[in-house]
Amino acid sequence: AQSVAQPEDQVNVAEGNPLTVKCTYSVSGNPYLFWYVQYPNRGLQFLLKYITGDNLVKGSYGFEAEFNKSQTSFHLKKPSALVSDSALYFCAVRDGSNAGNMLTFGGGTRLMVKP
Amino acid sequence: NAGVTQTPKFQVLKTGQSMTLQCAQDMNHEYMSWYRQDPGMGLRLIHYSVGAGITDQGEVPNGYNVSRSTTEDFPLRLLSAAPSQTSVYFCASSYGGHPSNTGELFFGEGSRLTVL
Repeated sequence: AQSVAQPEDQVNVAEGNPLTVKCTYSVSGNPYLFWYVQYPNRGLQFLLKYITGDNLVKGSYGFEAEFNKSQTSFHLKKPSALVSDSALYFCAVRDGSNAGNMLTFGGGTRLMVKP
Repeated sequence: NAGVTQTPKFQVLKTGQSMTLQCAQDMNHEYMSWYRQDPGMGLRLIHYSVGAGITDQGEVPNGYNVSRSTTEDFPLRLLSAAPSQTSVYFCASSYGGHPSNTGELFFGEGSRLTVL
């Protein structure tokens, strides 16, 4: 079975400071990892993904994420937070070794960026 | 540039009533799916389809039916609503016959359902 853990329900950061939203995963095969963002009353939007290659993945809106195989983590980062980054963030994983596997989402982390 | 369109956006039902949540996409995506979102539980997959005429169960299929008669449409039916089905429902699609082995999902804006 595959699973995703987002250990923080909420992350608070001041505008201009770096931000990190944590994600750890568990899969038996090759991990395909995704981050999505959800703004109020909207559907989820894709931010970035890791399939293979460089461990540092760059995505939309200046976000990046680092794949760490030994720690089974895929933390989302941004060097300088904006108030407009305030939203709900979801990490997701699927087992790339098995085409039949679905995406499994974490419980979400609310990011609050204060001016 | 509509993307994934869901209707209705809001619905209130009484226990035992039936209804259909509509989902349509105009991106010619083969893969379509329905998720429910509940606080602290992330998104859980209800049903999915890898192409017209093909559907399969996800993680939480009980109480829901789906069909896929066209590439564009993927309705979700609640035959006898229960309070446990109070949730926000999202339809999502992806190119390729599967969430693509590498591809991302495109989500609708959601349908908020309350069952009294």
